[in-house]
Amino acid sequence: GENVEQHPSTLSVQEGDSAVIKCTYSDSASNYFPWYKQELGKRPQLIIDIRSNVGEKKDQRIAVTLNKTAKHFSLHITETQPEDSAVYFCAAKPSGYALNFGKGTSLLVTP
Amino acid sequence: DAGVTQSPTHLIKTRGQQVTLRCSPKSGHDTVSWYQQALGQGPQFIFQYYEEEERQRGNFPDRFSGHQFPNYSSELNVNALLLGDSALYLCASSAGTSNTEAFFGQGTRLTVV
Repeated sequence: GENVEQHPSTLSVQEGDSAVIKCTYSDSASNYFPWYKQELGKRPQLIIDIRSNVGEKKDQRIAVTLNKTAKHFSLHITETQPEDSAVYFCAAKPSGYALNFGKGTSLLVTP
Repeated sequence: DAGVTQSPTHLIKTRGQQVTLRCSPKSGHDTVSWYQQALGQGPQFIFQYYEEEERQRGNFPDRFSGHQFPNYSSELNVNALLLGDSALYLCASSAGTSNTEAFFGQGTRLTVV
């Protein structure tokens, strides 16, 4: 089955700096890659997603890149703010219907 | 639109008991997936329901079963509870069969003692 590896597990940055989280996947049939943000005690919320026919997608301070050949995708957050502090999960969807999640990255943005 | 709603929010059960968790999908969504999220881990796929049938199942034992009703709401049942079943159970709904966004509910925190 699909195996999604996520790094780093924890990330601490200063407000205004950039944060990068990287994920790799194993199933070349995966064609949908969402990123979720989960604040403490709250539901995971989709922040950005990318499909396999696209190499990069941006939404304001957030961008995702996908390298299908290398089977990795990354989340980039620029000009980080304290409210960006949360756990971020990457996921991949191979053929089928299940989302396979990474183990998460705990991001802390310090003022 | 209330989004995805789950009940109850918290539950404490004893080993060996059975539990039923409930999920109402977001308006307009017909597909419901269930995930188990252990502390400090990413969600793990349990199964997905579409048109009242289990469409795909993850690597979970038969103690985990589910149901989808004609109004698209869903239940997750777990029999013979083990301590290791303690986790946050998340329901996610989506529309149709394509790669559309999955909206998550707040989850049910199950503690098995």
